[in-house]
Amino acid sequence: EAQVTQNPRYLITVTGKKLTVTCSQNMNHEYMSWYRQDPGLGLRQIYYSMNVEVTDKGDVPEGYKVSRKEKRNFPLILESPSPNQTSLYFCASSLSRLAYEQYFGPGTRLTVT
Amino acid sequence: DAKTTQPTSMDCAEGRAANLPCNHSTISGNEYVYWYRQIHSQGPQYIIHGLKNNETNEMASLIITEDRKSSTLILPHATLRDTAVYYCIVRVPPGTASKLTFGTGTRLQVTL
Repeated sequence: EAQVTQNPRYLITVTGKKLTVTCSQNMNHEYMSWYRQDPGLGLRQIYYSMNVEVTDKGDVPEGYKVSRKEKRNFPLILESPSPNQTSLYFCASSLSRLAYEQYFGPGTRLTVT
Repeated sequence: DAKTTQPTSMDCAEGRAANLPCNHSTISGNEYVYWYRQIHSQGPQYIIHGLKNNETNEMASLIITEDRKSSTLILPHATLRDTAVYYCIVRVPPGTASKLTFGTGTRLQVTL
C-alpha cells in the first residue's frame, strides 16, 4: 500500500532531551516536507527536501533539523526540545516539486514538558 | 498565495450533496484552487484542484466561477465518513513554491 509512515505516533518528553521523529514513504517520491499544526495557526511548513541531500527551510525552521540521506526517509530532529514545540507534526511527500498532490502521514503528537 | 475565506462550519444530511464555498477574491491568474480535508487529527488528504475549468474526480467536483473569485467543492452524496475539516487553498503552481498553507477551513458535520 502506498503510504507515508511516521514514528512515533505519540511522544511525551522533557525539555532538552533530543528526539527524532522518523518519516518514510514507499512511493519513490522526490519531494518531502514537515509541517506542524497548532490550534488557530493552521498547518505551517518546517522544512522541505526536493531530493536526496537537498533540504531547505520552511516558514518555522527554528529549533528543528532534518536530513535526507535516502530518498524514502526524512527524519525530523529536535536537538533540544522546548515546550513551545508541543504540537501535531505531519510529514508529507509528493512525486516531485512539480506535483499537485501531496500525501500526508498520520501525524505525530508531541508533548514537551 | 491568495487569501481564502470559508465558513467556519456547515451541516449536511447523509446522502445529500454537501456544497462547501470558498472566496478567493485576490486570486492571481496563475494560481490554482486546491481542496484538502482532514479527518479528526489525521493527516490531510488531497481532494481536487483546478485552475479555471470545473473539475470532477471520484471524490468530488470543483466549480470555479468565471471570474475565479470564488469556488465550491461539491461532495455529491455525503456520508458520515465525510465529516472532516475542509481546506480551500489558493497557490501558485508546484515548482515555484511547493508548500501548502492551510487556514482554519470549514468543519463539515454529516448527520443521519
